[in-house]
Amino acid sequence: GAVVSQHPSWVICKSGTSVKIECRSLDFQATTMFWYRQFPKQSLMLMATSNEGSKATYEQGVEKDKFLINHASLTLSTLTVTSAHPEDSSFYICSARPQEGQPQHFGDGTRLSIL
Amino acid sequence: AQSVTQPDIHITVSEGASLELRCNYSYGATPYLFWYVQSPGQGLQLLLKYFSGDTLVQGIKGFEAEFKRSQSSFNLRKPSVHWSDAAEYFCAVGARGATNKLIFGTGTLLAVQP
Repeated sequence: GAVVSQHPSWVICKSGTSVKIECRSLDFQATTMFWYRQFPKQSLMLMATSNEGSKATYEQGVEKDKFLINHASLTLSTLTVTSAHPEDSSFYICSARPQEGQPQHFGDGTRLSIL
Repeated sequence: AQSVTQPDIHITVSEGASLELRCNYSYGATPYLFWYVQSPGQGLQLLLKYFSGDTLVQGIKGFEAEFKRSQSSFNLRKPSVHWSDAAEYFCAVGARGATNKLIFGTGTLLAVQP
């Protein structure tokens, strides 16, 4: 149980395009989902907390207009990287939490490469 | 400020040997504590968690961890390592309360020698 699906797993696109990443909880409802960014050989850095039906809470230093988060249902959150540039290239990972106090369950990540 | 320290960036052990990965945290109260494992190019898998109660917690794949409040530590152990255990291991601290945001350590990369 507690499976989180993230799609796509790998995307390459040109500079200036927008990229949408989906995060789905397959067998549970998640009122809260989290988006992380991981640079090579580094730890995960929390970008934002996504709450169903309300605006996301962004961590300090994360541009909310650059990284658009939508959590329209209890099983789906999306992260859109707008007008992506090479410096946005990274590994993005989402997680979902069934309820407060429960562990976060992670997707398999999306490797984003901007040319 | 809340933080998690994993002192060992890289550890190499022989297959069949015992393993201990260190984790120290700084937090104002008793946090939730987690160990996750990440294989290359993949997401994180939860190995075990501590919320309350027995300070020795058992996880999947034969791992266990012990919460020591006096040392602010939550070290991960396994009595006999298998080659498939080679991966990156992350210790994480979670705040108690509505947000439950996780703060991750920098990770320990485990290599297993035949």
